[in-house]
Amino acid sequence: GQQVMQIPQYQHVQEGEDFTTYCNSSTTLSNIQWYKQRPGGHPVFLIQLVKSGEVKKQKRLTFQFGEAKKNSSLHITATQTTDVGTYFCAGRRGGSNYKLTFGKGTLLTVNP
Amino acid sequence: DGGITQSPKYLFRKEGQNVTLSCEQNLNHDAMYWYRQDPGQGLRLIYYSQIVNDFQKGDIAEGYSVSREKKESFPLTVTSAQKNPTAFYLCASSVRDSERSPLHFGNGTRLTVT
Repeated sequence: GQQVMQIPQYQHVQEGEDFTTYCNSSTTLSNIQWYKQRPGGHPVFLIQLVKSGEVKKQKRLTFQFGEAKKNSSLHITATQTTDVGTYFCAGRRGGSNYKLTFGKGTLLTVNP
Repeated sequence: DGGITQSPKYLFRKEGQNVTLSCEQNLNHDAMYWYRQDPGQGLRLIYYSQIVNDFQKGDIAEGYSVSREKKESFPLTVTSAQKNPTAFYLCASSVRDSERSPLHFGNGTRLTVT
């Protein structure tokens, strides 16, 4: 079945440092979504990437979708304490019967 | 405000008992989902429903059952057959089960079985 691998599992940074999490799929994806879950909270949708090689930005967050549509990354520039949480990628294969497959997530902690 | 309501937030049960987790949404979404989250794990799909009176098994459906009698409601029953029921359960919904619909999650129910 489809697998989505996400690394690293944990990342601790000093406030102001950059952070990147990577997502790799065993199969080609029709799209990939990113979610953020704050400690004790629930996942919240951040963004969706659809096109090969697509890059999207949300303030300090940059999302990329690989050319082969099998990998993606989330980069945060100059982390802040408000960035703390677990970041999940979730990919879908083509076809309406295929569900979202989530990566295991990257837990980001930020030292002020 | 529209959203997804899961209740209760915390639930405690004795081993061998069935327990039902509630999920209600007023977003007028067609598709609803149940995920299970364990520490250090991603979200694993238990069941999903694209329309009233229809639902399909996800990746880890064994020991669980659902119903979808109303568009707004998608309760999950954790049966005594589920070997490791202690977990954080998340309900979600989407506009429709298409390739590009993001999921809207409820606040979750943390189930502890002893």
